[in-house]
Amino acid sequence: EVQLVESGGGLVQPGRSLRLSCAASGFTFDDYAMHWVRQAPGKGLEWVSGISWNSGSIGYADSVKGRFTISRDNAKNSLYLQMNSLRAEDTALYYCAKDVLGDAFDIWGQGTMVTVSS
Amino acid sequence: SYELTQPPSVSVSPGQTARITCSGDALPKQYAYWYQQKPGQAPVLVIYKDSERPSGIPERFSGSSSGTTVTLTISGVQAEDEADYYCQSADSSGTYRRVFGGGTKLTVL
Repeated sequence: EVQLVESGGGLVQPGRSLRLSCAASGFTFDDYAMHWVRQAPGKGLEWVSGISWNSGSIGYADSVKGRFTISRDNAKNSLYLQMNSLRAEDTALYYCAKDVLGDAFDIWGQGTMVTVSS
Repeated sequence: SYELTQPPSVSVSPGQTARITCSGDALPKQYAYWYQQKPGQAPVLVIYKDSERPSGIPERFSGSSSGTTVTLTISGVQAEDEADYYCQSADSSGTYRRVFGGGTKLTVL
């Protein structure tokens, strides 16, 4: 079964850091780009960051550029998101998503919740 | 930055046809994708490359493209189709970015 399982979310104070992980199974992880997408409570989807299969291409949304870093470990079938200088507006459910067709997302995890509050 | 614009809400009665639009300047050059999201669930891809339907998605879901607007059409809407729908595309500026529309709440009356 193709599966993505996120972890690492929680309650964190503004200005602090958090590292999210996504464990992939059921497919050849290093064949695909991967992404992080977030959804603030009651709001729409926002693409956060993406990384190509070999980490050669990386992109960030303007809202997180310079604060978040995406990475992957193909040997461990894992995707990561290092989030620094967190702000209240980063509060959201963070989904890990598998790339398809080089443009879209066909497999999603169930998400991990990040709450930034003092 | 690149934006995709959707109507906040669409309402239809069961059995009718729902049409949800998505507008963006780069859509003539970039494919659009559509996702369905029900409360408490992760999004599900229902249309890819403007008009293709993934396996397992009912035939009543279809997509089309015309200029800077793409449209998701749901024919013979059923109560189970009530959900949020998001369009998505790639940023055409050469950066490794993706963008979502703001989402449309489909209400089945």
